[in-house]
Amino acid sequence: DAGVIQSPRHEVTEMGQEVTLRCKPISGHDYLFWYRQTMMRGLELLIYFNNNVPIDDSGMPEDRFSAKMPNASFSTLKIQPSEPRDSAVYFCASSLTRPSYEQYFGPGTRLTVT
Amino acid sequence: GNSVTQMEGPVTLSEEAFLTINCTYTATGYPSLFWYVQYPGEGLQLLLKATKADDKGSNKGFEATYRKETTSFHLEKGSVQVSDSAVYFCALSSWYGGATNKLIFGTGTLLAVQP
Repeated sequence: DAGVIQSPRHEVTEMGQEVTLRCKPISGHDYLFWYRQTMMRGLELLIYFNNNVPIDDSGMPEDRFSAKMPNASFSTLKIQPSEPRDSAVYFCASSLTRPSYEQYFGPGTRLTVT
Repeated sequence: GNSVTQMEGPVTLSEEAFLTINCTYTATGYPSLFWYVQYPGEGLQLLLKATKADDKGSNKGFEATYRKETTSFHLEKGSVQVSDSAVYFCALSSWYGGATNKLIFGTGTLLAVQP
């Protein structure tokens, strides 16, 4: 089975530009998570969805960040406008049935905002 | 609230040395416990898990036992290899009162194994 797919793998953009990160979860998984990883703050949960519905977005840092899940096989994380402090690796993960079950992570998108 | 505390890194060992990475937790309800591993440039991968007290999770020579009395889930391996060099994350998830909780991660411990 294909794992969690993320695109792009690397993104370099200028401050003020809109950035869209994409994720395809493992087929059949009903939970989807977006994380951000930096050296300073470690691994942070931004938002998660259950059956395409956002459940907890308390980790989303600012209104500049938004996430959608229009269907069971696709999710986006958008940053508008982007800032240099948004530079990080963004991971998508999915799991089955409950979030207490193991999560499967994608390879991540490394975002650099100059 | 729920939290995970793991030992600071980096941990530097010679090949074939014994490894212990300490992890303790605070949780309400009935947590499941996990160890994830992140190799350079990759996402996190589940290494092992335990879902109830006294369970032992094991995989690839790594082991961890769920100790409710000491609220610990220490990761051990008898003989590390250079290929084990990675960042290791302890994590917990708890189902309490019908409400789901997020997966709570520790800060990660970098392991560097030298030949």
